[in-house]
Amino acid sequence: DADVTQTPRNRITKTGKRIMLECSQTKGHDRMYWYRQDPGLGLRLIYYSFDVKDINKGEISDGYSVSRQAQAKFSLSLESAIPNQTALYFCATSEELAGVSDTQYFGPGTRLTVL
Amino acid sequence: QKEVEQNSGPLSVPEGAIASLNCTYSDRGSQSFFWYRQYSGKSPELIMSIYSNGDKEDGRFTAQLNKASQYVSLLIRDSQPSDSATYLCAVRVISNFGNEKLTFGTGTRLTIIP
Repeated sequence: DADVTQTPRNRITKTGKRIMLECSQTKGHDRMYWYRQDPGLGLRLIYYSFDVKDINKGEISDGYSVSRQAQAKFSLSLESAIPNQTALYFCATSEELAGVSDTQYFGPGTRLTVL
Repeated sequence: QKEVEQNSGPLSVPEGAIASLNCTYSDRGSQSFFWYRQYSGKSPELIMSIYSNGDKEDGRFTAQLNKASQYVSLLIRDSQPSDSATYLCAVRVISNFGNEKLTFGTGTRLTIIP
């Protein structure tokens, strides 16, 4: 079984709809991240969480919210989806090593299309 | 100036040759450097990490770091068609306050020609 899973893998929705993307991990890592990837723009951090009670904004958090339901689960919500949120979304996890994040491991991604 | 810059490519290399991928970064305080490989439509996977100046070898892959010149490179020896992918450079900075930031480059698309 995959260590980091994302659901759904593909989603097409309409402008204004609320969407939730879910991420689960069995790696036992405390730290979890949400990124989006757009052609020519690379991976950009949306939100990250270093433990269940810790949520932090990344560089492009506007229009998104997150929930860390448990150590193993980190969800990303688009409250009112808009077309420029069409992208490939990745969840990632990492351990803490000597106070900093170790290698990040990525989930398989969710391709989201907002019409 | 972008924080992490890579040539987008495509970089075409004959099978069996050495592929050389380069990355420059702007923050002199950067401490950790990573190379990820990403096949089309798939997730990034870590190839190499490097933390100190010099070379680090792992099989056919060698990462090279030069902090004075602010660049990190990845060499792939004996290139194989399966190496055709986009390679992402990532750079981590840890501030004096303990905040850390990992920044990805936009990636270099590598094509190995049989």
